[in-house]
Amino acid sequence: QKEVEQDPGPLSVPEGAIVSLNCTYSNSAFQYFMWYRQYSRKGPELLMYTYSSGNKEDGRFTAQVDKSSKYISLFIRDSQPSDSATYLCAMITGFQKLVFGTGTRLLVSP
Amino acid sequence: GAVVSQHPSWVICKSGTSVKIECRSLDFQATTMFWYRQFPKQSLMLMATSNEGSKATYEQGVEKDKFLINHASLTLSTLTVTSAHPEDSSFYICSAREPVSYGYTFGSGTRLTVV
Repeated sequence: QKEVEQDPGPLSVPEGAIVSLNCTYSNSAFQYFMWYRQYSRKGPELLMYTYSSGNKEDGRFTAQVDKSSKYISLFIRDSQPSDSATYLCAMITGFQKLVFGTGTRLLVSP
Repeated sequence: GAVVSQHPSWVICKSGTSVKIECRSLDFQATTMFWYRQFPKQSLMLMATSNEGSKATYEQGVEKDKFLINHASLTLSTLTVTSAHPEDSSFYICSAREPVSYGYTFGSGTRLTVV
């Protein structure tokens, strides 16, 4: 079993839709949870990071962490074609290393 | 925000030659930098952790002699792919951790093609 599981997609939605991206994990020691966006042939860009359980909102993005279920989510409201990218969840181990999910490819059509 | 500059963005080299990739933290000091490799449509695979002033720590299965890492200063880490072969062709990305927050900032990546 992988430490972090993420549906690779692709996930196709029309412009304006609410997008829900999810990851599950197995290591209960993870404390910091992040979401990165990666455009093709570019490095990942940090979108959100949260500590422990709870919600965090930033503009059209909301990150949720449910440690009891080992489940994290990223919601994108009013999705735009420019949101089309691969979204990677990531978590930090006790050794300060990032562990990534496989990434979900999102396609937002005009 | 924090910026990590990676150079070159793409490089083509012949089999048997060596290629050096630079990773610089532009507005913060990074005692620790990370090097990743990414294959098409796959996630990032951590290759090694680069520590300023000491030897890099390599992940299991990564050849130390092939992928030489040097972290000579608090703002610069380099990855040298030695005696490159076509199977080394990949997308290499560096990352640096800001000392205060848990923000890991990534470079823009280097696409290496070995012919």
